[in-house]
Amino acid sequence: AQRVTQPEKLLSVFKGAPVELKCNYSYSGSPELFWYVQYSRQRLQLLLRHISRESIKGFTADLNKGETSFHLKKPFAQEEDSAMYYCALRGRGGGATNKLIFGTGTLLAVQP
Amino acid sequence: DAGVTQSPTHLIKTRGQQVTLRCSPKSGHDTVSWYQQALGQGPQFIFQYYEEEERQRGNFPDRFSGHQFPNYSSELNVNALLLGDSALYLCASSPDLTKNYGYTFGSGTRLTVV
Repeated sequence: AQRVTQPEKLLSVFKGAPVELKCNYSYSGSPELFWYVQYSRQRLQLLLRHISRESIKGFTADLNKGETSFHLKKPFAQEEDSAMYYCALRGRGGGATNKLIFGTGTLLAVQP
Repeated sequence: DAGVTQSPTHLIKTRGQQVTLRCSPKSGHDTVSWYQQALGQGPQFIFQYYEEEERQRGNFPDRFSGHQFPNYSSELNVNALLLGDSALYLCASSPDLTKNYGYTFGSGTRLTVV
């Protein structure tokens, strides 16, 4: 079964603390993993994708195929990071495999 | 570039009615996907359109249907509305179905069925 699991509905941290948003996946094949973010009153937008191996707004995520995880990390949280974060996957190869499968999301609340 | 635009932003319908939601993709994008996001859930894939044909479909009943026009815009139709159809409906566009490009999402249409 194709599934994305985000075990935490809410993660509350203080400003300056490290952040780790967990994401585990189940997929029979080679998936592409993403993190999407939705700030208050804004549309869903791509934060980062694993094949780019980039750091966006200080966030990084490493694909661990052995643990089938794609956790999102940031060493020092900022108040402006407060948002809803969704982990998502899709199959590689384009065409019929490219629908996105989303997790249920984690609300990150950064306290001052 | 206005990005992906969806209309209307909010809609209230009665059980049993039919509804049509509209989406204009981002300029240069030819593939449109629709997602349903129920409260407290992540978006769920409904279907995808490319070259005016439905290319892929998620686990949604036939009451959900769609269309893509020659200008790449798309409609989502839902017949015989149920209370459980109340959700945020998101449209996402991408440049090319055959390649794994990223998606651009619209702000969504909030449908409430009473």
